[in-house]
Amino acid sequence: AAGVIQSPRHLIKEKRETATLKCYPIPRHDTVYWYQQGPGQDPQFLISFYEKMQSDKGSIPDRFSAQQFSDYHSELNMSSLELGDSALYFCASSRPSGADTQYFGPGTRLTVL
Amino acid sequence: AQTVTQSQPEMSVQEAETVTLSCTYDTSESDYYLFWYKQPPSRQMILVIRQEAYKQQNATENRFSVNFQKAAKSFSLKISDSQLGDAAMYFCAYRDFGNEKLTFGTGTRLTIIP
Repeated sequence: AAGVIQSPRHLIKEKRETATLKCYPIPRHDTVYWYQQGPGQDPQFLISFYEKMQSDKGSIPDRFSAQQFSDYHSELNMSSLELGDSALYFCASSRPSGADTQYFGPGTRLTVL
Repeated sequence: AQTVTQSQPEMSVQEAETVTLSCTYDTSESDYYLFWYKQPPSRQMILVIRQEAYKQQNATENRFSVNFQKAAKSFSLKISDSQLGDAAMYFCAYRDFGNEKLTFGTGTRLTIIP
């Protein structure tokens, strides 16, 4: 079965640079979620989109922005990167139901030097 | 705000034995969902099992089952016939009905002893 695709899988950036993470949901899933997992921590919800509109927002820094496109893929844009942004960034997708299960992608490991 | 607590940072079990991982949560909602996700060394987040709060019957998926106690706000995961491939970090997660985000516990690292 098709899974959530994230690219790139690994990314190394310098402080104050910009990064863009991409997420391609499972076919026929139109809801996308972004989570950040720091070293040794549990995943923290950042933001979600349903039908290309932001549907919920968590502890996402103002330096970060995200959007969902007409083909339902999503991009997380991160500017003015800080050392503390080094983490594993997960994208998850679900079908259009408040009850549905979120399926996670493999994650993008971002390292900020 | 909802909180999820996993009080066992680490657990270990002999191969082929049974182990139970604990999870408690705090919520004022009556409709919600609970999940167990597994994160092996690859760091992939893999759904293990899910439980709807309105269902009294405990969910089961092959060797994985839960003990859902709604009044006690407890949601434990039982793994039977443990296998080496079960070694992973296990996260308990909560989601309100109609709310988007998952709230995770801090995880339990499970080691399987051959």
